[in-house]
Amino acid sequence: EDQVTQSPEALRLQEGESSSLNCSYTVSGLRGLFWYRQDPGKGPEFLFTLYSAGEEKEKERLKATLTKKESFLHITAPKPEDSATYLCAVRGGNNRKLIWGLGTSLAVNP
Amino acid sequence: GAVVSQHPSWVICKSGTSVKIECRSLDFQATTMFWYRQFPKQSLMLMATSNEGSKATYEQGVEKDKFLINHASLTLSTLTVTSAHPEDSSFYICSARGLAGRHTGELFFGEGSRLTVL
Repeated sequence: EDQVTQSPEALRLQEGESSSLNCSYTVSGLRGLFWYRQDPGKGPEFLFTLYSAGEEKEKERLKATLTKKESFLHITAPKPEDSATYLCAVRGGNNRKLIWGLGTSLAVNP
Repeated sequence: GAVVSQHPSWVICKSGTSVKIECRSLDFQATTMFWYRQFPKQSLMLMATSNEGSKATYEQGVEKDKFLINHASLTLSTLTVTSAHPEDSSFYICSARGLAGRHTGELFFGEGSRLTVL
C-alpha cells in the first residue's frame, strides 16, 4: 500500500539552528515527490518536485534531497518566517493521485 | 509559480443553505482541478477530481449530490456545498495541475475557503 510518513510531527528551532525534516515513502514506481509549505489558514505553496534518487533542489534556505526510500528537506539557518507546516506528497505509477503525509509543523523562534 | 485563485476565503452560512466556492487558474489553463478538504491538524483529503467539460470523479465516501462540482472552462471550477450542515464546516482547498512545460505535474493550490455552517 502506498504510504507517506513525515517526521518529526513538530519541530521547534532557534533562529539560525539548521535542521532537517524527513519524508519516508513506500510507493510502486515513484513518479514524483513533492514538498509544499502551508501557512495557517492558507492553501499549500509549492516548493519542490523530485523525480529520481540522488536528485537535489535548492531554494533560498531550503534544500530537498531524495533517495529510494525517503526525502529530506534541509533548512539552513532558518528564520522566523520559515515557520509553517511542511507537507510531503508522492505520486506513484499505479495511481495518479497524490499520497499526502501529515506534515511537520515547524516553529522558528527569534 | 502558477497562480490559482479561490473565492471566497471564508464564508458563514445557515444550516440548510447552499454555498458556492470558485477556483480559477489565473495564468495557465487547467484541464484538471482537484478539490480537497482539510480538518484541523490533518493532511489534505482529496474529495474529487474535476475535468473540464466532463463529470467530476468523486473519491469513495464523498457524496456527489451534496458536493456539486462544475468545471465549465479551462480556468474555472466551482464547488457547491448543498443543504449545508454543521458537520460540513471545514477548510476547502482547490488545486490545479500544470500542463506541459515547467509546471508539468506540479499542483498549485488556491488560498482555501473556510466554511462555517451555523
